[in-house]
Amino acid sequence: GAVVSQHPSWVICKSGTSVKIECRSLDFQATTMFWYRQFPKQSLMLMATSNEGSKATYEQGVEKDKFLINHASLTLSTLTVTSAHPEDSSFYICSASVAAIQETQYFGPGTRLLVL
Amino acid sequence: DQQVKQNSPSLSVQEGRISILNCDYTNSMFDYFLWYKKYPAEGPTFLISISSIKDKNEDGRFTVFLNKSAKHLSLHIVPSQPGDSAVYFCAADYSGGGADGLTFGKGTHLIIQP
Repeated sequence: GAVVSQHPSWVICKSGTSVKIECRSLDFQATTMFWYRQFPKQSLMLMATSNEGSKATYEQGVEKDKFLINHASLTLSTLTVTSAHPEDSSFYICSASVAAIQETQYFGPGTRLLVL
Repeated sequence: DQQVKQNSPSLSVQEGRISILNCDYTNSMFDYFLWYKKYPAEGPTFLISISSIKDKNEDGRFTVFLNKSAKHLSLHIVPSQPGDSAVYFCAADYSGGGADGLTFGKGTHLIIQP
């Protein structure tokens, strides 16, 4: 149980385009989903926390107008990287927490974004 | 300021022996700790967790020890197996603040040698 999927797993795009990444909890309802970013050989950095039906809470230093998060249902959250630039190239990982066990998060497989 | 620290970037252990991964934290508000295992280009997989009301939690080959006074926790893997080779992340949370993101250490790359 507690499976989280992400789509796409790989994306290559041109600078200036927008990229949407989907995160789905497959067998449970996730009241809260999180978006992390990982640079090579670095730790996971929390970008934002999103609750179903409300606006996402962004961490300091994360541009909310650049990284748009939509949590439309209890099983789906999307991250849109708008006007992507090469410095946005990274590994983006989502996670979802089960309402009854909020401290334990289940992670998706990640999405590798390369902006040319 | 790094609130969760894993000071060993890598650790090499012989198969069958004990692997001990260490983690230190500075924020005394943290009261829940987790260990994740991660393979390259994949999301982290939850391994084991411990609440601050405990000092030990065991699950099969994995045991986590928590020393609150020292703000230190460790993950023991016994016996170590080749499939354990991965990057291990220590993460911390403050449960009293509602659902919020985890704070991760930088990870320790565990290499199990045959």
